[in-house]
Amino acid sequence: GENVEQHPSTLSVQEGDSAVIKCTYSDSASNYFPWYKQELGKGPQLIIDIRSNVGEKKDQRIAVTLNKTAKHFSLHITETQPEDSAVYFCAATRKYTGRRALTFGSGTRLQVQP
Amino acid sequence: EAGVTQFPSHSVIEKGQTVTLRCDPISGHDNLYWYRRVMGKEIKFLLHFVKESKQDESGMPNNRFLAERTGGTYSTLKVQPAELEDSGVYFCASSQEGGRAAFFGQGTRLTVV
Repeated sequence: GENVEQHPSTLSVQEGDSAVIKCTYSDSASNYFPWYKQELGKGPQLIIDIRSNVGEKKDQRIAVTLNKTAKHFSLHITETQPEDSAVYFCAATRKYTGRRALTFGSGTRLQVQP
Repeated sequence: EAGVTQFPSHSVIEKGQTVTLRCDPISGHDNLYWYRRVMGKEIKFLLHFVKESKQDESGMPNNRFLAERTGGTYSTLKVQPAELEDSGVYFCASSQEGGRAAFFGQGTRLTVV
């Protein structure tokens, strides 16, 4: 089955700096990679996603990159703000065969220092 | 449009008791998933419904866990009898398609004492 590794487990940055979270996956058939943000007391919220036929996707201060050959994908947050502080999860899944539920990484706790 | 809602938000029960968690998915979402996060670790898959059918229940830890989705609408997850290691946050999610974006509820925090 799929295995997703996520690093780092904690990340502290100064407000305005960039933050990068990296994930690797094991199943070459995985073709969809969402990122979730979980704030205290809330469920995970989808913030950005990427499909396997795309190398990069941006949405304002957030971007995700995907390297299919190396089987890794990353989340980039620029100009970080205190409200970006949360736990971030990467995930992977496949659409057409096998398990179609998400396999999650272990999470990264991001703290943005004002 | 209402999101995924879960009841209760918190539950504290004694070891050996029974607890039933409920999930109401987004209307029109055929795919419904249960996940669990234990002790701040990764979010782990439990099972996947497509409408009222169990598509994949390979993540269910043992036969003390029973999930149902009557009529393909809301779902329940029953734990009977509960053990200490069942403590954690149980999330429900729904999606229009399998293998694509899933929208999560706020979770039910279960504490077994």
